[in-house]
Amino acid sequence: AQSVAQPEDQVNVAEGNPLTVKCTYSVSGNPYLFWYVQYPNRGLQFLLKYITGDNLVKGSYGFEAEFNKSQTSFHLKKPSALVSDSALYFCAVRDMGYRGSTLGRLYFGRGTQLTVWP
Amino acid sequence: DTGVSQNPRHKITKRGQNVTFRCDPISEHNRLYWYRQTLGQGPEFLTYFQNEAQLEKSRLLSDRFSAERPKGSFSTLEIQRTEQGDSAMYLCASSPRLAGGRMSNEQFFGPGTRLTVL
Repeated sequence: AQSVAQPEDQVNVAEGNPLTVKCTYSVSGNPYLFWYVQYPNRGLQFLLKYITGDNLVKGSYGFEAEFNKSQTSFHLKKPSALVSDSALYFCAVRDMGYRGSTLGRLYFGRGTQLTVWP
Repeated sequence: DTGVSQNPRHKITKRGQNVTFRCDPISEHNRLYWYRQTLGQGPEFLTYFQNEAQLEKSRLLSDRFSAERPKGSFSTLEIQRTEQGDSAMYLCASSPRLAGGRMSNEQFFGPGTRLTVL
């Protein structure tokens, strides 16, 4: 079964500092990994994904994520945090379904609340 | 705004009442997903449609829950005899079919319907 763990409920960083939001995963096959962000009273917004290829994936709003197969991790990073980055971040893995078909359901972590202090 | 829309945005009901939520996916997205998100948790998969066919239902979807997508466009999620444990944010997402029939890896989420059962 697929699963995702986000070990930190909260991450606090000062504006201008680099940020990392951690995610580890467990899958039975090749992982399809995603990061979503959720602002208050808003739906989930897609940030980036890893399907195959380069281990460093670049996404929206200056975010990037590093896929590490040996550590089964997919940490979200940003070189310089902004106050406006404060939000709830979710890591997710996609279910590849049974052979010949993909169901596409996402398995989400519990989320990490990122707070960026001015 | 051509994103996924959900109505109502908020619903307060008394225990034992029936409620129905609507989701309008992005036009021509053939896959539609329902998720439930409770406080402090990530979204959990409920059910999934490909066009009008409901292809999978989670064990979370008890017999009090029913979802439809009669014409392959909008979808409704009904909860009968609501219980306090049904209080949650109900999220809808849609996903397009790509050229060659492949499934997109990205799901586009709506703003959600927040249900409060008193």
